Formats: sequence, structure tokens, C-alpha cells
Amino acid sequence: NAGVTQTPKFRVLKTGQSMTLLCAQDMNHEYMYWYRQDPGMGLRLIHYSVGEGTTAKGEVPDGYNVSRLKKQNFLLGLESAAPSQTSVYFCASRRHRNQPQHFGDGTRLSIL
Amino acid sequence: AQSVTQLGSHVSVSEGALVLLRCNYSSSVPPYLFWYVQYPNQGLQLLLKYTTGATLVKGINGFEAEFKKSETSFHLTKPSAHMSDAAEYFCAVSDGSGNTGKLIFGQGTTLQVKP
Repeated sequence: NAGVTQTPKFRVLKTGQSMTLLCAQDMNHEYMYWYRQDPGMGLRLIHYSVGEGTTAKGEVPDGYNVSRLKKQNFLLGLESAAPSQTSVYFCASRRHRNQPQHFGDGTRLSIL
Repeated sequence: AQSVTQLGSHVSVSEGALVLLRCNYSSSVPPYLFWYVQYPNQGLQLLLKYTTGATLVKGINGFEAEFKKSETSFHLTKPSAHMSDAAEYFCAVSDGSGNTGKLIFGQGTTLQVKP
């Protein structure tokens, strides 16, 4: 009964390094989302996907890329990390567009 | 465009007192509204949701919220606070008529419960 699993849970990067965050869901959900959470700003949508092979930009997409090659996985990439990308990243998924989103436990990313 | 405003970034109540967390939304279409709770170092957990029908919605852990269209509000209440309710609470709105299911979140309210 894993739900939404995010890997890794913590990571420290140097400015300019690249990395990929993995989100996996075992609920056969169509919709998947990547958010970042910063103090006092709530959660802001980075990118989302409405189905396998599709992606779209959210509110704050700059500096990030995503891929949804398999229905159960949604990858978030940082090509050249910047200190402004220090944040907690959450992945979420839902079965239908009007159902609640299910969240992972987050990835805490620090960029020095 | 949709938006959510949570009034008060920090709310402090005594154990056993009423909890009231305020949420106002803006939406050009009938909204779907959600309250989520986040405990330290965890993800968000759904408390309750409003889609259509009854405007008073009951959720988990004794929380409830009332959708008031005329006031564009969806305030969260609990009659008697418990120490375990201390957490951060997020109100969110979804475009029920769109195809993306995107959520717009408020900035969050941290609830402190004093013994």
C-alpha cells in the first residue's frame, strides 16, 4: 500500500549540478503533479501530466523539465541547479480530475 | 484566474477551544474546494473536500467546513482542539470544469495548540 513514493528524500547539490527526482505511484492514477513548497508561499505547481506521454507547464516551470514515459512514474529534472531552487518538492497524483490529490512525503533539496 | 487566501498565517488556540481557520477563494467557475493538513516532515493529507451538493462538509479528525458561495468562503472548524491538531493547514481550489485537475493552494495556516 505504497501510494505515492518520492526518491530521494534528501539531497544536497552544488550550484550547476543536475539531478532527477523520481515520483512513483501504484494507484493507476492518470494525473500527476510536481509542486514546490517554500515558507509562506504554500505549494506552487511546477509541471503536471494528464496522462502517460503528456506533460504541461504549471505556475513556476522555469529551470525544470519533466517526463512521463510510464504511467506510474513522473520525473522532475533540474538541468543546472541554482540556489533559488532550494525547496521541498512534492509529487501528487489523482485518478480523475475532480478527485483529491494524493501526496508523497516530499524531497528536501538544498543547493549550495 | 483562481486564487485562494488564507487569513492568518499563524493561529493559536488552547486545548479544548474552537478551531477556526479562514479560507476565501476566487473562481470564475463553480469551484471544487479542499482542505489539507501537513504534519512536520510529511506530505499533505486530505481533511475534507467540497465538490457539489451539501454545503456543510465533514472530514476526518472531527473537522468540518462550510461552503458559502455568497461569501466565497470555505472556513475550516473543529469544536474542540486537541494537541494532535497542531500542524499546517492548506486550503485549495480546483477548476472543476477544466481537464487538468490543477490545485491552487493558499499560503497555509500554522495551527498551534496550547495545553
